[in-house]
Amino acid sequence: GQSLEQPSEVTAVEGAIVQINCTYQTSGFYGLSWYQQHDGGAPTFLSYNALDGLEETGRFSSFLSRSDSYGYLLLQELQMKDSASYFCAVREERDDKIIFGKGTRLHILP
Amino acid sequence: GAVVSQHPSWVICKSGTSVKIECRSLDFQATTMFWYRQFPKQSLMLMATSNEGSKATYEQGVEKDKFLINHASLTLSTLTVTSAHPEDSSFYICSANETPGLAGRETQYFGPGTRLLVL
Repeated sequence: GQSLEQPSEVTAVEGAIVQINCTYQTSGFYGLSWYQQHDGGAPTFLSYNALDGLEETGRFSSFLSRSDSYGYLLLQELQMKDSASYFCAVREERDDKIIFGKGTRLHILP
Repeated sequence: GAVVSQHPSWVICKSGTSVKIECRSLDFQATTMFWYRQFPKQSLMLMATSNEGSKATYEQGVEKDKFLINHASLTLSTLTVTSAHPEDSSFYICSANETPGLAGRETQYFGPGTRLLVL
């Protein structure tokens, strides 16, 4: 079966760094994506890892270890506007489907 | 970047009516589009894969006669919720897969979503 595990909630302080972990178990694997979703909005793409290692995009970085079926999203210099839900998602090689994790609600304290 | 649009952005309808939602890729071709549903405070659940020129593939537990999908062109897929009931009220989101895509780069783009409320 397919499963993605990520913490349901994380709380951090403005200006700090936070890491959201994701472990996955899928029948096929093509890449790991991260999406941000604010309340009432659609998910917006943040990053994508197809190969092992770290991908950096501004304040956001994403890491993948295919051998460990594990990845994380790292958010630096947290801002209040980063308060949102963050989803890891796996693209399956077989049919390009993207399967989402349950999401992590990030709360940022001033 | 690639843009996917959805129409309408929100709809309120009476129980028993049918509602059609359109998903368009605006500046790229998409042989495959996906339809998701999201209930409040939950994750996106894949409903079906829409393939241009062929029948859609539905995920387990999704009624194909209830959620009709048509993908008649490389830029348009439609989802029709037939005989909608209050339990169908949800946030419906489509995504489109850019064709051809580039290896090592995410090529699936999400629409802004359609909020459906069935009274």
